[in-house]
Amino acid sequence: DAGVIQSPRHEVTEMGQEVTLRCKPISGHNSLFWYRQTMMRGLELLIYFNNNVPIDDSGMPEDRFSAKMPNASFSTLKIQPSEPRDSAVYFCASSFTDIHTGELFFGEGSRLTVL
Amino acid sequence: GESVGLHLPTLSVQEGDNSIINCAYSNSASDYFIWYKQESGKGPQFIIDIRSNMDKRQGQRVTVLLNKTVKHLSLQIAATQPGDSAVYFCAEKVTGRRALTFGSGTRLQVQP
Repeated sequence: DAGVIQSPRHEVTEMGQEVTLRCKPISGHNSLFWYRQTMMRGLELLIYFNNNVPIDDSGMPEDRFSAKMPNASFSTLKIQPSEPRDSAVYFCASSFTDIHTGELFFGEGSRLTVL
Repeated sequence: GESVGLHLPTLSVQEGDNSIINCAYSNSASDYFIWYKQESGKGPQFIIDIRSNMDKRQGQRVTVLLNKTVKHLSLQIAATQPGDSAVYFCAEKVTGRRALTFGSGTRLQVQP
């Protein structure tokens, strides 16, 4: 299995531009998570989906952030307009739905720099 | 709000020694805990997990201990190797939720 695949690995953009991060979960996993990692705040959950439906988006910072999961094999996280404080590493993770366990499989991350 | 935290930001050990990384959690509704390892430039990788109905679980060179009385979790790494150098995170899952809440991380540095 190729694991969770994220793109792009690195993105440098200017303030005000739209950013779209992409994720392909592990085949067969039906839960997908977006996390953001910064030095100051560590790993923060932004949103997670179960069977393509958003379950909890309380971690999404503000309206500039949106996430979609049009099908079981693809999700996007969009920031519009981007701001310098959005600079971080964004991780996508997937798992089987099981409330008794919870191992998440993470992608390599997308490092975003907003100038 | 309740959160997961770590006692030590950086731990330096000699190669071959045993390492102990500690984590305090405050949510009594957490029923599942995981330790992750994150190497530079990579995503977190699963090391070992433990359910709240257990107090100890062993893997290959790693042991996780859970003390629910004081809400404390630890990761023990036996015979630490240079390849163990990384940031280690504990994470907890609250009963009924699927998402994990991560601690702030401890950097383990293995000296040759």
